[in-house]
Amino acid sequence: GQNIDQPTEMTATEGAIVQINCTYQTSGFNGLFWYQQHAGEAPTFLSYNVLDGLEEKGRFSSFLSRSKGYSYLLLKELQMKDSASYLCAVKDSNYQLIWGAGTKLIIKP
Amino acid sequence: GAVVSQHPSWVICKSGTSVKIECRSLDFQATTMFWYRQFPKQSLMLMATSNEGSKATYEQGVEKDKFLINHASLTLSTLTVTSAHPEDSSFYICSASPHFESGANVLTFGAGSRLTVL
Repeated sequence: GQNIDQPTEMTATEGAIVQINCTYQTSGFNGLFWYQQHAGEAPTFLSYNVLDGLEEKGRFSSFLSRSKGYSYLLLKELQMKDSASYLCAVKDSNYQLIWGAGTKLIIKP
Repeated sequence: GAVVSQHPSWVICKSGTSVKIECRSLDFQATTMFWYRQFPKQSLMLMATSNEGSKATYEQGVEKDKFLINHASLTLSTLTVTSAHPEDSSFYICSASPHFESGANVLTFGAGSRLTVL
């Protein structure tokens, strides 16, 4: 079966750095996405990786290792508004998006 | 960027009534749209894939006669929750992408519709 694993919840301090991991086992691979979802709102796109390596976008970076079936989202200089759920999703060989359960990130002052 | 509009954003209805939710792609054509449901503190669950001009593809466990999907044009898909019951209360979110089959294309979500069935 297809599966995506990510931690259920993480806590970090304002101004710090946090890394949210995602591991996947899917039928094929056509890219990995990270989305941010604030409570009660729809997800918004953060990043996309299809090749191995690090993609940097401002305070957020995403890393991919296809051989390991592994990705992480790195958030720097954490702000209170970064408190949200972070969803990892993989497009399989049929271009179907397989979603992780999401990681709830709690930022403390 | 791609914009997806969803309406209504919230609705309260009585048990046994039907509710229609609309999803529109505003600046692109979407042959495929996706309907998700999300219960509190849970992840997104794909309900069905809406295909323009043909029948929707439903995920296992989703009743197609209860959740009617119509995708009559390249910019509009509707989800109708028929004979709604309190257990149908949830956050329903649609999404779409231009040329979704292209790996890099990002799925854009509507703002979601929060349904409460009394």
